[in-house]
Formats: sequence, structure tokens, C-alpha cells
Amino acid sequence: SQQGEEDPQALSIQEGENATMNCSYKTSINNLQWYRQNSGRGLVHLILIRSNEREKHSGRLRVTLDTSKKSSSLLITASRAADTASYFCATEGGSYIPTFGRGTSLIVHP
Amino acid sequence: DAGVIQSPRHEVTEMGQEVTLRCKPISGHNSLFWYRQTMMRGLELLIYFNNNVPIDDSGMPEDRFSAKMPNASFSTLKIQPSEPRDSAVYFCASSLTGGADTQYFGPGTRLTVL
Repeated sequence: SQQGEEDPQALSIQEGENATMNCSYKTSINNLQWYRQNSGRGLVHLILIRSNEREKHSGRLRVTLDTSKKSSSLLITASRAADTASYFCATEGGSYIPTFGRGTSLIVHP
Repeated sequence: DAGVIQSPRHEVTEMGQEVTLRCKPISGHNSLFWYRQTMMRGLELLIYFNNNVPIDDSGMPEDRFSAKMPNASFSTLKIQPSEPRDSAVYFCASSLTGGADTQYFGPGTRLTVL
């Protein structure tokens, strides 16, 4: 299956700490995206990284991609209570249909 | 732009009833996706339309589910007859040109089948 799997399933940290979430997948991909979902809402796109890229930044977000290990990581620096949400990776491998993982639930305590 | 619009936001129905969920994608987007999200199964792709044509409906659970996209600005997902195991949050998403693009999700419809 192309589906990415996020790790850990749940993460609880204090405000100001960094949060790191990982995504592993099984087959080669064209790109990988990270999305965020606040409770009761739809998913919101955060960042896309292509298979020929190794790292991307967007504000307090840093995404890395290691195609040799078939894994990606999402780092949120200096976390805030408002970062509390579920985070999903979505992989796309040529079918033009992204496949979502089950998500990491992040809780940031103020 | 108002984003992806879904209606209703909440639906409670009894087993055996027909349920119709509606979606208006972002104007100018050529691709539309229907997803189902549950705690047990996570986010599942049900069907993908491109230029109003169903491209991949392999995720549609069974014949009780059907989806249509009569024009570029409207899509429906119908469940007939509904069953308690259909209870979930159903999301519609659209993207500019296809699945590899950024998807913009609607707020979802929370369906409860009693």
C-alpha cells in the first residue's frame, strides 16, 4: 500500500517545546504533503515536498524527506497551544491520488 | 473565495433512509474528492472526479453508495439505504488540476445513522 503511517500516534508537549512527527511509506513517491486538522474541521494543507527535495521550511515548520528510508518528518519549532491538532502525511506515487495516513494527534499544553 | 462548501454540516437519520450529501468545490478547480473519516479506519478516499468525470471509485464501499458530479460546481454523495456503520464524517475536497496538487477540504458533514 502507498499509505503513509505517522508516528507517534499521539504527542503531548509543553508550549515552547519542539514537536517532531514522522511519516513512513512503502513504495516510491512523487511527492509528500503534510496536512493539519483541528478538531471538528477539515484538513488544511501545510507543506508539500517533492521526491527530489530533502528539506523545506515554512515559518515554524520544517519538513525533511529521506527517500532512501522512505520517511519524512515534520518539525514544529517553539510550539504554541494553537498548534494543538492532528497532523497527517499524504503520499502520491504516480496515481495522482494522494493517500493519507492515520495521523498524529498533537497536544500542546499552555 | 468561500472555499469548499458542504451541506448539511450535521445529519442524523434512521437506518434504511436515503442520505444525500452535497459539495460545492472552489471555483476553477478541476478535481473533486469525497473522503470518509472514522476513528477506526482513518481518512478513506471514496471517489475522485476530474473534469466532472469519475476517475477512481474503488474506495466506494458498496452499491449503497453513489456519487455524481453533474457540473463543475456541484457534487453529491448518496447513501441508500443507510446503515449505522455509515456513521462518519464525510469530507469533500477540491484541487486545481489533480490529486498531486494541494487539496482544499470542506468543513465536513457529520453523519449519524441510528
